[in-house]
Amino acid sequence: GQNIDQPTEMTATEGAIVQINCTYQTSGFNGLFWYQQHAGEAPTFLSYNVLDGLEEKGRFSSFLSRSKGYSYLLLKELQMKDSASYLCAVVDSNYQLIWGAGTKLIIKP
Amino acid sequence: GAVVSQHPSRVICKSGTSVKIECRSLDFQATTMFWYRQFPKKSLMLMATSNEGSKATYEQGVEKDKFLINHASLTLSTLTVTSAHPEDSSFYICSARPTGEYSPLHFGNGTRLTVT
Repeated sequence: GQNIDQPTEMTATEGAIVQINCTYQTSGFNGLFWYQQHAGEAPTFLSYNVLDGLEEKGRFSSFLSRSKGYSYLLLKELQMKDSASYLCAVVDSNYQLIWGAGTKLIIKP
Repeated sequence: GAVVSQHPSRVICKSGTSVKIECRSLDFQATTMFWYRQFPKKSLMLMATSNEGSKATYEQGVEKDKFLINHASLTLSTLTVTSAHPEDSSFYICSARPTGEYSPLHFGNGTRLTVT
C-alpha cells in the first residue's frame, strides 16, 4: 500500500527553527509537495521537490532524499503566524496525490 | 501566479435541496481539476477528478449520483451536491494544475457547506 508518515503535532518557540519530517512509501514517485493550511482555510503551496537536495525559499526550506523516501520542511525564524498544519503530499506513478495526515505546528511566545 | 477561484465560500441549505459549487482557473487552462473534501481534523480526501469534456473519475466510496461534476470548459468545473443531508456538511475544496508535468496544484479557497 501507499503510506505517508509525518508527526501529528509539534511545538516550537517564536524565533526558533523547526524541522518537520515526512517519510513515504508509494508506487512510483513524481515529486513531493509541502502545503501549509491554517484552520478553516484551504491549503497553500509552499514547495515542490522532485530532485534530491535542498530547496530554499525565504524562511522555508524543503529537502528531499528519494533513495531514503524522506523529506523535511525547515522553518526558520518562526513567527506566530506560522502556527498551522503542514501537509506532505507525494505524486505517485499515476500522477495522483497521496496525502499525509498533516503536522499541526504550535508556536509559543 | 496561477489563481483558482471557488464560489461560494459559505453556503447554508436545507435538507433535500441541491447546492452547486463553482471552481474556475482564472489565468490558465486546466484540462483536469480535482475536488476534495475535508472532514474536521482530517486531511484532504480526493473525491473525484474532473476532466474537461468527459466524465469525471470518482474515488471509491464517493457516490457519483450524489456529487455531480461537470467540467464544461477549460476554466470551469462545477460540483453539485444533490439532495443534501446534514452528513454532507463539510469543507469542499477544488484544485487545478496548469499544464506542465511538474506544475504544483493550486487550490480554491474552499466552500464550507452546512446542511440543516
